[in-house]
Amino acid sequence: KQEVTQIPAALSVPEGENLVLNCSFTDSAIYNLQWFRQDPGKGLTSLLLIQSSQREQTSGRLNASLDKSSGRSTLYIAASQPGDSATYLCAVRPGGSQGNLIFGKGTKLSVKP
Amino acid sequence: DAGITQSPRHKVTETGTPVTLRCHQTENHRYMYWYRQDPGHGLRLIHYSYGVKDTDKGEVSDGYSVSRSKTEDFLLTLESATSSQTSVYFCAISESQLAETQYFGPGTRLLVL
Repeated sequence: KQEVTQIPAALSVPEGENLVLNCSFTDSAIYNLQWFRQDPGKGLTSLLLIQSSQREQTSGRLNASLDKSSGRSTLYIAASQPGDSATYLCAVRPGGSQGNLIFGKGTKLSVKP
Repeated sequence: DAGITQSPRHKVTETGTPVTLRCHQTENHRYMYWYRQDPGHGLRLIHYSYGVKDTDKGEVSDGYSVSRSKTEDFLLTLESATSSQTSVYFCAISESQLAETQYFGPGTRLLVL
């Protein structure tokens, strides 16, 4: 059974710092992997989607990498800002006919001014 | 933002009563999903729909039923609410199951006393 783990559960950094959020998954047979952002009391917003054939995706200050063979993905946030404070969730779509998303529990990020 | 609304946004009910949550989309997406989010568990799929009158179970479907009589509406029913169903419920939509990202609604907070 696919399991997705995100470490650390919470992270606090000063403004301007570059940071990395980690996501690991137990079964490398995935179709794609997504990173989401969730603000308090709100729904999820998709940040980046990486197909299994890709190694990374970039959007603005965000860069997500995927290493399927080792079961790892990282989300790199450059020059962090207080507005980046949120919970970041990783989700994998397993390979196979059903392929519904399996989520990690998230990393709660706090960027201090 | 994707046009997804959920109603009600907050609900308090008593154990044993039936509860229906509604998800409404204006994007004409084929797939619709119901998730629940609980501390320590992350997001878990309850049921999903791949077309009008076409639904299937997710990871945590016991105690829940769904219906989709129109493309735009997906209903989640708790036939007899229990305290273990206290949670935040999210609806999501996607154009297809495999390649596309999912867009999430704002969530419904349900408290079962």
